[in-house]
Amino acid sequence: RKEVEQDPGPFNVPEGATVAFNCTYSNSASQSFFWYRQDCRKEPKLLMSVYSSGNEDGRFTAQLNRASQYISLLIRDSKLSDSATYLCVVNIARGSTLGRLYFGRGTQLTVWP
Amino acid sequence: DAGVTQSPTHLIKTRGQQVTLRCSPKSGHDTVSWYQQALGQGPQFIFQYYEEEERQRGNFPDRFSGHQFPNYSSELNVNALLLGDSALYLCASSSYRDGANVLTFGAGSRLTVL
Repeated sequence: RKEVEQDPGPFNVPEGATVAFNCTYSNSASQSFFWYRQDCRKEPKLLMSVYSSGNEDGRFTAQLNRASQYISLLIRDSKLSDSATYLCVVNIARGSTLGRLYFGRGTQLTVWP
Repeated sequence: DAGVTQSPTHLIKTRGQQVTLRCSPKSGHDTVSWYQQALGQGPQFIFQYYEEEERQRGNFPDRFSGHQFPNYSSELNVNALLLGDSALYLCASSSYRDGANVLTFGAGSRLTVL
């Protein structure tokens, strides 16, 4: 079983739409959670961290449910520039501060005009 | 402030050959991690170097090896290349003090094995 499971999509939505991505993780010892964004043929870049209390950054809202081992990302008022692959990421630090990141396979989003 | 730089950006090899990829971490970072990203997949952790030692390793065969130099730069070596080694190889740097949570990725080296 993979550490992080994501629906690969693709999601195709019009500008202005609200879209939600979900992922699940298998290791209950996971410590930190993130969403990364990856544009076509580019490197992943941190979009936002995810906290148990939920957190928001402009049009982006991330939620974490530790009991269900479930992470979500909500994008409101989608823009053309939001078109990218969104990677769900967890850090399982096993007794060391040098944790390693586990990436989901990513969910592809295309926003059309 | 230079970010993470990787070289070469693209390369083509044939089966059985060996390849060396290079990475210079972001200024102020002392930890380097390498990831392999196959087409349509998320990055997979290969290994991580800190203080010139391999600190953690993912599920990759011994054909994959690495090195970290005193200036924190790093190399990834892959021997006896297989077709399945074709992928984007990403180097990510971080500061030990921050753990591996805050990663800065380089643009990657795209390896094609024929």
